[in-house]
Amino acid sequence: GDSVTQMEGPVTLSEEAFLTINCTYTATGYPSLFWYVQYPGEGLQLLLKATKADDKGSNKGFEATYRKETTSFHLEKGSVQVSDSAVYFCALSDSSEGNKLVFGAGTILRVKS
Amino acid sequence: DTAVSQTPKYLVTQMGNDKSIKCEQNLGHDTMYWYKQDSKKFLKIMFSYNNKELIINETVPNRFSPKSPDKAHLNLHINSLELGDSAVYFCASSPRQGREAFFGQGTRLTVV
Repeated sequence: GDSVTQMEGPVTLSEEAFLTINCTYTATGYPSLFWYVQYPGEGLQLLLKATKADDKGSNKGFEATYRKETTSFHLEKGSVQVSDSAVYFCALSDSSEGNKLVFGAGTILRVKS
Repeated sequence: DTAVSQTPKYLVTQMGNDKSIKCEQNLGHDTMYWYKQDSKKFLKIMFSYNNKELIINETVPNRFSPKSPDKAHLNLHINSLELGDSAVYFCASSPRQGREAFFGQGTRLTVV
């Protein structure tokens, strides 16, 4: 079945540092890819998405590019803030697997001032 | 005007009890889901409904029974609760299968 692998956390950065959270996937078909963010005590919020190869999703300074050749969708941000501290989930949806959202294990990000 | 709302937010109950979690979405979406998040934050889909019809039923004990009275509601009933059922349960909806999902705030279930 489909799967998503994320880099293990926690990732601890200082404010204004550059962020990369790696995400790779395996899929039977041609999936859509997503990044979700979960702030403490809250539900998941969609951060960005990409539906086809070479698409770049972006939101709130975060971006990720759908790389079919490397089956990756790495999340980046040029300058993190303390308010970015959260758990980040990479996910995919594949029509050949019933379109269910399959999540990675999540990566905890801690940003220090 | 919450998009996806679940009740209750917290639920503490004894082993062996039966409990329900309710979910409602006001987004007009066709598809609704239940996810379970364990203590390590791992998220796993449990059920998916499309227009009140069960689409996905992952390997979940049959003590868990979803019910969708209409397109805007998907409730989760759990019989004979066990300690291992303690987790955060998230309801979500999406315009249709394959599109991004919108999540509720979660229900933290603690079985003692």
